[in-house]
Amino acid sequence: LAKTTQPISMDSYEGQEVNITCSHNNIATNDYITWYQQFPSQGPRFIIQGYKTKVTNEVASLFIPADRKSSTLSLPRVSLSDTAVYYCLVASGGSYIPTFGRGTSLIVHP
Amino acid sequence: SAVISQKPSRDICQRGTSLTIQCQVDSQVTMMFWYRQQPGQSLTLIATANQGSEATYESGFVIDKFPISRPNLTFSTLTVSNMSPEDSSIYLCSVDEQAKNTEAFFGQGTRLTVV
Repeated sequence: LAKTTQPISMDSYEGQEVNITCSHNNIATNDYITWYQQFPSQGPRFIIQGYKTKVTNEVASLFIPADRKSSTLSLPRVSLSDTAVYYCLVASGGSYIPTFGRGTSLIVHP
Repeated sequence: SAVISQKPSRDICQRGTSLTIQCQVDSQVTMMFWYRQQPGQSLTLIATANQGSEATYESGFVIDKFPISRPNLTFSTLTVSNMSPEDSSIYLCSVDEQAKNTEAFFGQGTRLTVV
């Protein structure tokens, strides 16, 4: 499984756009990139998944450059309720075993 | 998306005793995972449980300490045996719906405190 590296923590303010970048230099051809969000006292929740280029859903956007060695989760206009830990995972489909790195603790300030 | 129910949601146990955590899924799933998350830390995979076969344990985790059952495609249990304060943690159940192609779903977790 490709190892991932993320910033340990980030701070932002309400209404700002937040971009969290994840490095995965050893990503394999059949690996997908998946981001999860975890609030205190809850299990992680799937946010978005992508393979290449850009993916957007109602919650976030995921930008993946052509070499796929990194990815950026973009949260538009964050609110206080976006304060959480965000995990980037890289693994292939078929025999997917979610393996979590340290994650990024995002704190959104008023 | 799969809905996962874990029981109990929390418990306080005496050292030396055992606790069995239940994980119920509202749909049939092939793979189920058990994780441990210590305070302020990331999730650590304990084992993968497939129906009809013995669980596969990760390095540092053994069957005698964390026996797992997987009697059918919607249910699994994890037992934390002979507990010590170091076992105080959140234990999470997760499932892989293969049709979703790498999206995993998690239960709310069981917060265990060993005194």
